[in-house]
Amino acid sequence: EVQLVQSGAEVKKPGESLKITCKGSGYIFTSYWIAWVRQMPGKGLEWMGVIYPGDSHIRYSPPFEGQVTLSVDKSTKTAYLQWSSLKASDTGMYYCARHDASGSYHSPNLDFWGQGTLVTVSS
Amino acid sequence: QSALTQPASVSGSPGQSITISCTGTSSDVGAYNFVSWYQQHPGKVPKVIIYDVTNRPSGVSNRFSGSKSGNTASLTISGLQTEDEADYYCCSHTSSGAYWVFGGGTRLTVL
Repeated sequence: EVQLVQSGAEVKKPGESLKITCKGSGYIFTSYWIAWVRQMPGKGLEWMGVIYPGDSHIRYSPPFEGQVTLSVDKSTKTAYLQWSSLKASDTGMYYCARHDASGSYHSPNLDFWGQGTLVTVSS
Repeated sequence: QSALTQPASVSGSPGQSITISCTGTSSDVGAYNFVSWYQQHPGKVPKVIIYDVTNRPSGVSNRFSGSKSGNTASLTISGLQTEDEADYYCCSHTSSGAYWVFGGGTRLTVL
């Protein structure tokens, strides 16, 4: 059974750093891209970026480039989303999702999702 | 401001059919058959219900169907059921730099 399990909710202060995790199981972790999606409170879905665990190739959505860092550890089948200096506007739910590129690399087909990690940034 | 435009809300009665539109440009929806639709119930994780404009993942009801004409993709839900009440998001590949873009989402109310 394919599963993506994310780390638990975080409460941080502005300026602090944070790294949240997404652990994959039940499939060949290095063969599927992992996407990250943000959902701010009461708002819609925003695609942040994707990383390919096979070679750590990354593509960022322009609004998020330079604001977050994606990385992956193949040995533990874990993807990471990291901030070096959080802002209040980073408050939201963050999802990781597996990208099924079996049809096309360009197809935004996110077939399995993590349960989400709620990040709250407040002074 | 979302790159893809969806109506904020639609509503229908049980048994009826509704259509949700997703309007983009010739750089995204109009250029590629790479449009997905996601269903998200309140407080739940999004779920893909249509990919590549018309394809349904295994296990998704055939009451959900997708189509595209020009720069507008559409999701049709037939035989509305109360459990269809949710938010729906379209997502397309784009050549404009963002690579993938979501619509702003549509809240479906089943009256």
